Amino acid sequence: QVQLVESGGGVVQPGTSLRLSCAASGFSFSSYAMHWVRQAPGKGLEWVAVIWYDGRNKYYGDSVKGRFTISRDNSKNTLYLQANSLTTEDTALYYCATQISSQADWYFDLWGRGTLVTVSS
Amino acid sequence: QSVLTQPPSASGSPGQSVTISCTGTSSDVGHYNYVSWYQQYPGKAPKILIYEVNKRPSGVPYRFSGSKSGNTASLTVSGLQAEDEADYYCSSYAGSNNLLFGGGTKLTVL
Repeated sequence: QVQLVESGGGVVQPGTSLRLSCAASGFSFSSYAMHWVRQAPGKGLEWVAVIWYDGRNKYYGDSVKGRFTISRDNSKNTLYLQANSLTTEDTALYYCATQISSQADWYFDLWGRGTLVTVSS
Repeated sequence: QSVLTQPPSASGSPGQSVTISCTGTSSDVGHYNYVSWYQQYPGKAPKILIYEVNKRPSGVPYRFSGSKSGNTASLTVSGLQAEDEADYYCSSYAGSNNLLFGGGTKLTVL
């Protein structure tokens, strides 16, 4: 079964850190770029980060640059997001996403269900 | 980080057509043909409807179509059905390995 399953969310205090995980199954994980996209409660989607299929290249959205780190372990079919110096603005449902159906780029045809991060004192 | 501009709401009666706009700039929507559209139901993950401006993934009904003119992309839903009531988001590649999303449009089927 082709799927992405996120985990690692929770309630944390401002200034602390959290590591999110995304377990992939049913497709050749090591062949595809992987992304994190987040959605604050009641708000729109925001692209967070991307990592190339081999992990060599990583890029970030402006709001998380310097605080978040995306990584992957292709031997474990798992994507990670290390989120540091969290603020209340980072409260959101975090999705991992990718596209596996074509050679096109920068769209997502496979999404997880998301993991909720709540930053609150 | 800029956001693409979408109308917050749109509506139409069953059977009608509705078009949702997505306005960016000459650095994103106007420059790249990497515009996508997603449908999202409450409590669910987004679902791809359109990619590369006007391409429909397998399984997406022909009622959904995409286009682009200048800095504005559009999603048209023809033959509206009750099940089309959802939130719709556009996205566009913005260069330098950066992706932008629109603020979302809530589509109501009257």
